[in-house]
Amino acid sequence: KAGVTQTPRYLIKTRGQQVTLSCSPISGHRSVSWYQQTPGQGLQFLFEYFSETQRNKGNFPGRFSGRQFSNSRSEMNVSTLELGDSALYLCASSLGWDRGYGYTFGSGTRLTVV
Amino acid sequence: GQNIDQPTEMTATEGAIVQINCTYQTSGFNGLFWYQQHAGEAPTFLSYNVLDGLEEKGRFSSFLSRSKGYSYLLLKELQMKDSASYLCAVRVLDSNYQLIWGAGTKLIIKP
Repeated sequence: KAGVTQTPRYLIKTRGQQVTLSCSPISGHRSVSWYQQTPGQGLQFLFEYFSETQRNKGNFPGRFSGRQFSNSRSEMNVSTLELGDSALYLCASSLGWDRGYGYTFGSGTRLTVV
Repeated sequence: GQNIDQPTEMTATEGAIVQINCTYQTSGFNGLFWYQQHAGEAPTFLSYNVLDGLEEKGRFSSFLSRSKGYSYLLLKELQMKDSASYLCAVRVLDSNYQLIWGAGTKLIIKP
């Protein structure tokens, strides 16, 4: 059973550029969440999608956006990159958003903004 | 507001037992998760508690007291590979079931 796949694994971008990250969830999982992780900050929630609808959104500026496709694959986009956006971006998939469904994380995309 | 507190770092000896605490103040509660994250890797699911009491899974156990807003993860017979960060997360009922994460506890195991 394939796990959660995130592409690319590493990315270097210049300030002001935009970036799109991709996440393919475990087959059958309809919930996809995105997180930003930086040293000392822990996991910061970006947004969660379920069946192509955004269910939850964290406290990030509008430069951060996402979407989910009919096959449950998800993308997140960051426009007008800032140095502070350098982080590990993690995607997690789950069967559902309630009860005890655990989240399975992908290996992440490490974004460096220079 | 929503708040989850965990110790930043703990040190324990190989073969010993360690308890990692997590306290939370959230608006509504719908379950608590523990995850393990090794350096440079993705978090992996350890346990889920929604009712009060102790859940045991091999060397790892997790306890929940909803009235006290408190949970702990107990690791027995510590091994060097247990050196990792341990993340506590609470599913908040009042915020559309969103998961709120603690900053994690870095556990260092010494021989």
